[in-house]
Amino acid sequence: NAGVTQTPKFRVLKTGQSMTLLCAQDMNHEYMYWYRQDPGMGLRLIHYSVGEGTTAKGEVPDGYNVSRLKKQNFLLGLESAAPSQTSVYFCASSSTLYSSGQYNEQFFGPGTRLTVL
Amino acid sequence: AQSVTQLDSQVPVFEEAPVELRCNYSSSVSVYLFWYVQYPNQGLQLLLKYLSGSTLVKGINGFEAEFNKSQTSFHLRKPSVHISDTAEYFCAVTVMFSGGYNKLIFGAGTRLAVHP
Repeated sequence: NAGVTQTPKFRVLKTGQSMTLLCAQDMNHEYMYWYRQDPGMGLRLIHYSVGEGTTAKGEVPDGYNVSRLKKQNFLLGLESAAPSQTSVYFCASSSTLYSSGQYNEQFFGPGTRLTVL
Repeated sequence: AQSVTQLDSQVPVFEEAPVELRCNYSSSVSVYLFWYVQYPNQGLQLLLKYLSGSTLVKGINGFEAEFNKSQTSFHLRKPSVHISDTAEYFCAVTVMFSGGYNKLIFGAGTRLAVHP
């Protein structure tokens, strides 16, 4: 049981380049999330998904797109990277089952450190 | 709008001393409350959570937190800290929306530095 995994761990991009961050979870969770972490700002929600094929905007969605084609995967895309997107990106997932004992607890991946030059 | 305020951005403390990390939230609806810890260069790990029931919640590594509804607070405490507790701590609140959807709102974090 690997939990939540993220690929890649590190990436350096030039302004205008595109890339996709992959998040995978093996806990059969319905909900998945993408956050960015910046110094002094905690974690801010970029996009989230409440189920396969469904996504929604979070607090800071501009410049990002997401897709949830399979329940276990949640992809975050940057179409044209900007220096303001330099950050650490975290993926998380959570269960909607109250009986699971983990209701609403979010499980986090190890993060992807992205630098945009 | 719901928000979480962590009152201290940094807390320095000596080893074996007690510590309290303060967290206040604003919400007009029922909430679930969490404390997460982030060790250097790692992801977030759940320390403890309050869903319902007893207002004193015990977590891992000797931490505990008390939910105070009247003061809308969820302060984290440990009676005796270790060097290994040096990390960043995040308070978070889950806000439920209609349809069963929920979002997790994080505070800005408190950096706990334990000195020998």
